[in-house]
Amino acid sequence: SQTIHQWPATLVQPVGSPLSLECTVEGTSNPNLYWYRQAAGRGLQLLFYSVGIGQISSEVPQNLSASRPQDRQFILSSKKLLLSDSGFYLCAWSGVGQGLGEQYFGPGTRLTVT
Amino acid sequence: DAKTTQPPSMDCAEGRAANLPCNHSTISGNEYVYWYRQIHSQGPQYIIHGLKNNETNEMASLIITEDRKSSTLILPHATLRDTAVYYCIVRVPNTGRRALTFGSGTRLQVQP
Repeated sequence: SQTIHQWPATLVQPVGSPLSLECTVEGTSNPNLYWYRQAAGRGLQLLFYSVGIGQISSEVPQNLSASRPQDRQFILSSKKLLLSDSGFYLCAWSGVGQGLGEQYFGPGTRLTVT
Repeated sequence: DAKTTQPPSMDCAEGRAANLPCNHSTISGNEYVYWYRQIHSQGPQYIIHGLKNNETNEMASLIITEDRKSSTLILPHATLRDTAVYYCIVRVPNTGRRALTFGSGTRLQVQP
């Protein structure tokens, strides 16, 4: 069966520090991968998605970037964090044959920028 | 994507069936109904989806009315771990926006 991992689970970082969040998927090949952010009490915001290695699409302009160095690895990064980057970061995957509406989420990383 | 309407909250006794309604009166012919839930402090979890036939999996059953303007998610034997916010969304499966957009959902509280 497929599983999705994210780490770290929680993170407290000062303003201006760098960020690297990692997501890996097991049990599937060539998945579509997604990074979402969920601010406290608010809905999901899609940040990036990827349909293959090295292929990244950004949904909103921001202080973050994403990379996909391997088929089942998705990384979210920032060179200098802002207070507004705080939130719950979720990685998700969908299978090529499953459609865009069927996405499977990881456990999330709760980031607090101080 | 068609708009959905869900009650803001519901209670259910543990061991009983939880029936969660969703109205989607403007659904178009190629849009599917999807259900997700989000347990507190966890990522959203896909539950089930369907087009027009009733669907069942190990988690739940989905009943879609014949005119497809509403649906009901059924958790046959609710447990305390089913306490969560449940989201009904309607969308075309393979085209359009990649982002999942949840409304305010239904907060289901399973009571012991």
